Amino acid sequence: EPEVTQTPSHQVTQMGQEVILRCVPISNHLYFYWYRQILGQKVEFLVSFYNNEISEKSEIFDDQFSVERPDGSNFTLKIRSTKLEDSAMYFCASSVLLAGGYTDTQYFGPGTRLTVL
Amino acid sequence: DAKTTQPTSMDCAEGRAANLPCNHSTISGNEYVYWYRQIHSQGPQYIIHGLKNNETNEMASLIITEDRKSSTLILPHATLRDTAVYYCIVRVRGGNTPLVFGKGTRLSVIA
Repeated sequence: EPEVTQTPSHQVTQMGQEVILRCVPISNHLYFYWYRQILGQKVEFLVSFYNNEISEKSEIFDDQFSVERPDGSNFTLKIRSTKLEDSAMYFCASSVLLAGGYTDTQYFGPGTRLTVL
Repeated sequence: DAKTTQPTSMDCAEGRAANLPCNHSTISGNEYVYWYRQIHSQGPQYIIHGLKNNETNEMASLIITEDRKSSTLILPHATLRDTAVYYCIVRVRGGNTPLVFGKGTRLSVIA
């Protein structure tokens, strides 16, 4: 069964450093998402991405964050200068694009645990 | 904010049916009910979704009341591996909106 994959599974970084989290969405999916979950809290939406553009973003997704689809398979989340409060699980998700340009069920990857020291 | 209300926690004996309720009294006519679960800190796993008819797949059954203001996810024979946080989410299927997660129900399956 196709699945979303994410690397690395765990990333430890120093405050102020840049990190890139990588995701490989399901191959025929065209709509991509990043969510995060701070320990003990809810899963929160960060950004959605389609056709090489951000479709929607939350207030969390500020100028420190960026997303990119550098090639035909990867989807990345970059945090330019990490802060302690960026420590969280980051989940990538993808969905099929239905006729009419709408999205179907989102399927999630296993997540990357980011620890900022 | 999430448009659903779920109990904080539930217990279920292994091998018995687990019935997880969800209230969504403000659901709109074009909104579907989606269920996901999260085992420990893994990524949310899609379970099932429905609009107004009852739905069944290999994982679970979804019963939606006639007025669509509430639903129940049924795991017919719960196992220890079903211990997880279960999220009920309403969303327009085909809408380009993100999923809005609440706190969900923590289901503990007990041997």
